[in-house]
Amino acid sequence: AQKVTQAQTEISVVEKEDVTLDCVYETRDTTYYLFWYKQPPSGELVFLIRRNSFDEQNEISGRYSWNFQKSTSSFNFTITASQVVDSAVYFCALSEARTGANNLFFGTGTRLTVIP
Amino acid sequence: NAGVTQTPKFQVLKTGQSMTLQCAQDMNHEYMSWYRQDPGMGLRLIHYSVGAGITDQGEVPNGYNVSRSTTEDFPLRLLSAAPSQTSVYFCASSYQTGSLYDEQYFGPGTRLTVT
Repeated sequence: AQKVTQAQTEISVVEKEDVTLDCVYETRDTTYYLFWYKQPPSGELVFLIRRNSFDEQNEISGRYSWNFQKSTSSFNFTITASQVVDSAVYFCALSEARTGANNLFFGTGTRLTVIP
Repeated sequence: NAGVTQTPKFQVLKTGQSMTLQCAQDMNHEYMSWYRQDPGMGLRLIHYSVGAGITDQGEVPNGYNVSRSTTEDFPLRLLSAAPSQTSVYFCASSYQTGSLYDEQYFGPGTRLTVT
């Protein structure tokens, strides 16, 4: 069973629009971690954020914000006032304490294109 | 610190050939792992290691071997390459293991094509 679902395969927005990338996860573990990574066209993986299962506080970092809701098993990512440099593939990932907290289960990614 | 390095960056193999993808880190990390990235599939864990001499299988281990003779190196071996192994391979490392997560560092990736 897919542990991380990113239902949006591709999204296109016009520059300065806000965009939300969805992530739904599945786990039976009570201790787990959620992540977002960015993969720009150059191919490297850029770490954006980590959340553990006991910390449901939303987080804002500049134009980025994350909404973690255990009730709906979701960890959504919003980019405000999108820019062309935000064009990338974004991955949501999960790790579980019982299977090794450093072993990541990735979603299939959402390709974001920001049109100037 | 060079971080996590991977060699080669690109490789083309013929079906049945063998090769080793190299991964090294200079951060004295205990944990190292290999992922493959395929279009539409995200990254999937192949093998991982929680320390020198200890390795274990991930989600998609078939067709790959690993060993961990030193803390620094974690090579991934393809004994008989198949077209299904065409992928981008990422190596990652981190300090801690077990139930507590620690920051993971990813290498730049190796793009492998098997014809």
